[in-house]
Parts: sequence; C-alpha cells; structure tokens
Amino acid sequence: ELKVEQNPLFLSMQEGKNYTIYCNYSTTSDRLYWYRQDPGKSLESLFVLLSNGAVKQEGRLMASLDTKARLSTLHITAAVHDLSATYFCAVPSGTYKYIFGTGTRLKVLA
Amino acid sequence: GAVVSQHPSRVICKSGTSVKIECRSLDFQATTMFWYRQFPKQSLMLMATSNEGSKATYEQGVEKDKFLINHASLTLSTLTVTSAHPEDSSFYICSAPPPSGVYEQFFGPGTRLTVL
Repeated sequence: ELKVEQNPLFLSMQEGKNYTIYCNYSTTSDRLYWYRQDPGKSLESLFVLLSNGAVKQEGRLMASLDTKARLSTLHITAAVHDLSATYFCAVPSGTYKYIFGTGTRLKVLA
Repeated sequence: GAVVSQHPSRVICKSGTSVKIECRSLDFQATTMFWYRQFPKQSLMLMATSNEGSKATYEQGVEKDKFLINHASLTLSTLTVTSAHPEDSSFYICSAPPPSGVYEQFFGPGTRLTVL
C-alpha cells in the first residue's frame, strides 16, 4: 500500500528565511505533484515532477524529485507572508489515482 | 486550461436527509472522475473512482450504500450522501484527468457539507 508522508507537519517561520519541506513515499513512482491549499479552498497546482532529477522553480518555491530515494523536496527561499498556506505532495497510485501526503501547514510571520 | 466545476459550493442539511453534489468537466470529456473527502486540518482521502457507464470503485472503508456515485455522462459525476449525519460533515473535492498527454488531473473547487 502506497504511503506518503510529509515533514514537518507544521512550520512557523520568519519572513526572509529559507526552509525545506520533505515528502517521502513508500513505493516506486516516477511522478509527483505539489499543491497549495488556502483555508476553505480547493487545491492549486504548484509543480508537476515527471522524472528522476526533475527540478522546477516558480518564484520563491523550488521543487525536486529523487525517485531512487523516493523523496521530493519543496524549498522556500526568503519566505513572505503570502506563502502561508497548507502544502501537499501527491503521488499517483495507478495512472491518475492520487495518494496525498499528510500536508504541511506553513505560517510565515511578519 | 481544463476546468472542473462543483455544485453546490456549500450545503447545510439536517441529519437524516440526502445531499447530492455535482462534479462537471467543463471543456473536456472525462470517462473517469475521482471523489476525495477532507476533514478539517487533515489531508485529502480518496473515496471512490467514478466510471462513466459503469459502477464506481470504492476505496476500502467507504460505504458504497451511503455514498452513491453516478457517472451518467462524459462530463458529469454526482455524489449523493444518503441519510447524512454530522460525522459526514466535510469538504468534498472531485477531480478529473484531462485528455491524454497531460500528466496531471484537475481539481474542482470543492463542496463544503455541514450536517446539523
């Protein structure tokens, strides 16, 4: 059974600081997705990682995938308050059936 | 990009009543759609896979008689929560994979169900 774990579960950080969120999964997959969720809202797609070694960057966020280690990271550079949200990674089980990580609730303090 | 809509966005109902939630793919056809449930401050849990023209596939632990899924057309799947109880209060999100060649699926805006 595929399990997807994230850490940390909660993250409170000061504006301007850097931090990394980790996503570990238990079975082989060559794809991984990162999403952002604001309170009361659905998911916003951040990154689609389709192969080992994939690295994508958008603004202050950068995501990478190591399929051999079954690990993905979401790195935050110089955090700003607007990045406060919950971040989920998701791994496909089958073609489109997703198993979501536990989520990381990020709070960026001014 | 591809869009998935849900209706209603919020619903409040009394315990014991049934509630129907619609999920539509707006500019593409979806033979498969997925239904997720999210309790407050928790992750999304897959409930079932909705298959156009055939029975839905339910995940372990999800009561198929309580959560009725109908995928009557290539653009519409419905989830009916029958005899709803307060513990069914949750955020329900559907998703649909787009046409082939795009390696991600699209999520609806979600439906907040509150059962009194």
